[in-house]
Amino acid sequence: AQRVTQPEKLLSVFKGAPVELKCNYSYSGSPELFWYVQYSRQRLQLLLRHISRESIKGFTADLNKGETSFHLKKPFAQEEDSAMYYCALSISGGYNKLIFGAGTRLAVHP
Amino acid sequence: NAGVMQNPRHLVRRRGQEARLRCSPMKGHSHVYWYRQLPEEGLKFMVYLQKENIIDESGMPKERFSAEFPKEGPSILRIQQVVRGDSAAYFCASSPPLSGNGYTFGSGTRLTVV
Repeated sequence: AQRVTQPEKLLSVFKGAPVELKCNYSYSGSPELFWYVQYSRQRLQLLLRHISRESIKGFTADLNKGETSFHLKKPFAQEEDSAMYYCALSISGGYNKLIFGAGTRLAVHP
Repeated sequence: NAGVMQNPRHLVRRRGQEARLRCSPMKGHSHVYWYRQLPEEGLKFMVYLQKENIIDESGMPKERFSAEFPKEGPSILRIQQVVRGDSAAYFCASSPPLSGNGYTFGSGTRLTVV
């Protein structure tokens, strides 16, 4: 069965510290993976998708098929990065059905 | 482009009443998805619709829940005879056909059943 696991409910760091939000997935097909972010009282926004291999707001994520992971990283956290982060898996089949992880709350302290 | 519009933002219903949640997709998007987020949990897929068609309703509870996306007008998620366990945030998202770019989400409707 398809599944996305985000093992940490809360990640608390100080400003300037490196951040890694973990995401592991379970899917036998060819995965497409995304990171979504939800800032306080705002809608979910797409942060990253693995196929574009881009860096948004200093965040990067690399798909590791061997470890079935798609961890989100940022070398120096900022206070404005505090938000809920969701990892999502798109399963193939001709449309974008997304399987979400439970989310990790990132709290960046001054 | 106003984005994905959901209304109402907050909805309070008494047990046994009906809840209707509306979603207007982004202009040019013909695919609509509904997700439910229970407290302290991630988003759970409910249903995927195209205009006048339900494509995948594998995440919909078998009873009391229904969804439609008519030819004209918004997509509607209907919950009949609501119970306390239906209290959640319900998110709608839309995408163009076969988009590999992920969804655009609405702001959600927070349903509270009292």
